[in-house]
Amino acid sequence: KNQVEQSPQSLIILEGKNCTLQCNYTVSPFSNLRWYKQDTGRGPVSLTIMTFSENTKSNGRYTATLDADTKQSSLHITASQLSDSASYICVVSADIDDMRFGAGTRLTVKP
Amino acid sequence: DTAVSQTPKYLVTQMGNDKSIKCEQNLGHDTMYWYKQDSKKFLKIMFSYNNKELIINETVPNRFSPKSPDKAHLNLHINSLELGDSAVYFCASSQVPGQWGPVRTDTQYFGPGTRLTVL
Repeated sequence: KNQVEQSPQSLIILEGKNCTLQCNYTVSPFSNLRWYKQDTGRGPVSLTIMTFSENTKSNGRYTATLDADTKQSSLHITASQLSDSASYICVVSADIDDMRFGAGTRLTVKP
Repeated sequence: DTAVSQTPKYLVTQMGNDKSIKCEQNLGHDTMYWYKQDSKKFLKIMFSYNNKELIINETVPNRFSPKSPDKAHLNLHINSLELGDSAVYFCASSQVPGQWGPVRTDTQYFGPGTRLTVL
């Protein structure tokens, strides 16, 4: 069983709407949690990195939250744009050589 | 001005062949990585390497070997290719602050990927 579970598996929203992606993990010990955006055919791009002492971090229209007690994270996208269509991957690690990747959420933003 | 570049972008080869994928980063980072993304889109780390330490994911077959001619390059050499090696391989780099330790917040920059198809 994967130690990083993301939901939903896929999501379709209209341009301009907000959405929230979920990441639940069982990885222990915990060092940090990262959210990546991966466009089709491209390499992942880092959005946020949070350690256990951080419970929210923003990067433009992207806001990630972390609850280390319940081992849950969310990525909130505000005022979605067509260019937000991509896979969003949650990565939880104890150390750099122990990174556990979620399967990703495939987001499609439609006009 | 590409930060992390990989060549080739596509690689189609026969089973049993030996092939290499090249990776270069111009960010001045001291640590580079290789990842494999399978058909289900799961990313798995294969190697992490700086000029002091090579960390190998124990699940990686020894047919895979990283070769670093210098700090800016980490090439991936694969011997005796198998059908199951077909995947997209990503190179990445980061600047590790200070000593390797349990709390890491370095941002990884990924290359565009190399799609390997073994026939």
